[in-house]
Amino acid sequence: EDKVVQSPLSLVVHEGDTVTLNCSYEVTNFRSLLWYKQEKKAPTFLFMLTSSGIEKKSGRLSSILDKKELFSILNITATQTGDSAVYLCAVEASGTSYGKLTFGQGTILTVHP
Amino acid sequence: NAGVTQTPKFRVLKTGQSMTLLCAQDMNHEYMYWYRQDPGMGLRLIHYSVGEGTTAKGEVPDGYNVSRLKKQNFLLGLESAAPSQTSVYFCASRPSSVGTTYGYTFGSGTRLTVV
Repeated sequence: EDKVVQSPLSLVVHEGDTVTLNCSYEVTNFRSLLWYKQEKKAPTFLFMLTSSGIEKKSGRLSSILDKKELFSILNITATQTGDSAVYLCAVEASGTSYGKLTFGQGTILTVHP
Repeated sequence: NAGVTQTPKFRVLKTGQSMTLLCAQDMNHEYMYWYRQDPGMGLRLIHYSVGEGTTAKGEVPDGYNVSRLKKQNFLLGLESAAPSQTSVYFCASRPSSVGTTYGYTFGSGTRLTVV
């Protein structure tokens, strides 16, 4: 059974801080790892990672995958109050998984002014 | 394009009542999914479909039924609602072949409360 574990479960920081969110996984026939941001509505796609060691970057957010150690991190630098959200990690298997996603429980990030 | 549309957006049911949640997509995607999300948890797969007329169970299928009579629609039914089915329900779709691209589209969710 595929499994995704995120840590920490919640995090409270002040504006300007840098945060690192963790995601470890177990999946048969790994295809991709996905990061989402969720603000009281549907998850918003952030990154898709398929190759180990290649950093994906978008503004103040970046993410990297380690396929040997089976984990990924999401970094947010110079945090802003608008970064407050639940961050979800999910994995997709290849083959006959038909695109099914296994999600972690999420990390609740709160950024105070 | 509207993407993935879920109806209704909110619903309150009494225990034992039945209802159907509708998911409609206009992107000609083959794959469609129903997830539920409970507080403090990520999304969990209820049922999914890989094409018109086919459905399969996901991680938490008990108490739900689904149908995909048309490619663009994926219906989730609750025959006899229970308080444990209080949740936010998300529908998603994806093409069958995405290569190295992302491909998923999520609906905006249905918040269901069973009292």
